Amino acid sequence: QSVLTQPPSVSAAPGQKVTISCSGSSSNLGKSDVYWYQQLPGTAPKLLIFDNSKRPSGIPDRFSGSKSGTSATLGITGLQSGDEADYYCGTWDSSLREWVFGGGTKLTVL
Amino acid sequence: QVQLVQSGSELKRPGASVKISCKASGYNFRNYAMNWVRQAPGQGLEWMGWVNTNTGNPTYAQGFRGRFVFSLDTSVNTAYLHIASLEVEDTAVYYCAREVEAGPGIDYWGQGSLVTVSS
Repeated sequence: QSVLTQPPSVSAAPGQKVTISCSGSSSNLGKSDVYWYQQLPGTAPKLLIFDNSKRPSGIPDRFSGSKSGTSATLGITGLQSGDEADYYCGTWDSSLREWVFGGGTKLTVL
Repeated sequence: QVQLVQSGSELKRPGASVKISCKASGYNFRNYAMNWVRQAPGQGLEWMGWVNTNTGNPTYAQGFRGRFVFSLDTSVNTAYLHIASLEVEDTAVYYCAREVEAGPGIDYWGQGSLVTVSS
C-alpha cells in the first residue's frame, strides 16, 4: 500500500490528452513539492517534472504538472506511442521522514 | 553531463551478500546526496534511504534497517549498496539516484542493477 495514491492505469488515443492523479496527505503533498518520473519498459525512471510544475531541460512542453493541497496531477497532451510507460509521483513525507512514491500508473496509448 | 553508472547483474544464493556500485561523473560528487531505490519484479519504486556524500552519514528507510548498508569512496566518486544475508524477497532492481541540490528531491538515476536471489 503506497503512501501516495495513483490510478493503476490510464489510456487514451494518439494525439489526445491524459491526466494522472496523485493523492497524498498533509504530511507529504500538503507540505512538499511533487516530482514525476517516467519509466519506459525495461529502463530506469527519468525525471519529468520537479517542484510541482517545472520541466527539466529536454522534456517537451507536452508534459505538465500541477499541485493543489494534497493532490497533484500530471498532464500529457498530444499523446504518442512512445509515451507508453509507467509514471510515478514522489515527494518527501515529513511524518515518516522518508521519500515516498505513488504506486505507479501504466499509460497505454490505444 | 551527469551520469550514474552502476555495476552489473548479480545472481546470489540465499544467505550470501552482494555489493552494488554506482559511479558518478559530470558533477561534484560531494555536493549531492545519493539515494537508493528498490524495484521488485513487476512492482513500483521503493525508497531505501540516502547517504550524505559529504559526511558519509547514511539514513535508512524503515524497511531497510539492518541488512542494508550504504557506503562511499569519494576518491573515485562511487557510492555502494551492500546487502547482507540475502533473501529471495531481495530479488529486485536496485537504483542509485542523485538528490537534487536543494532537496528533498531526486533527479538523475543510474541504469539499475538486477540482483537475483535464488537457490
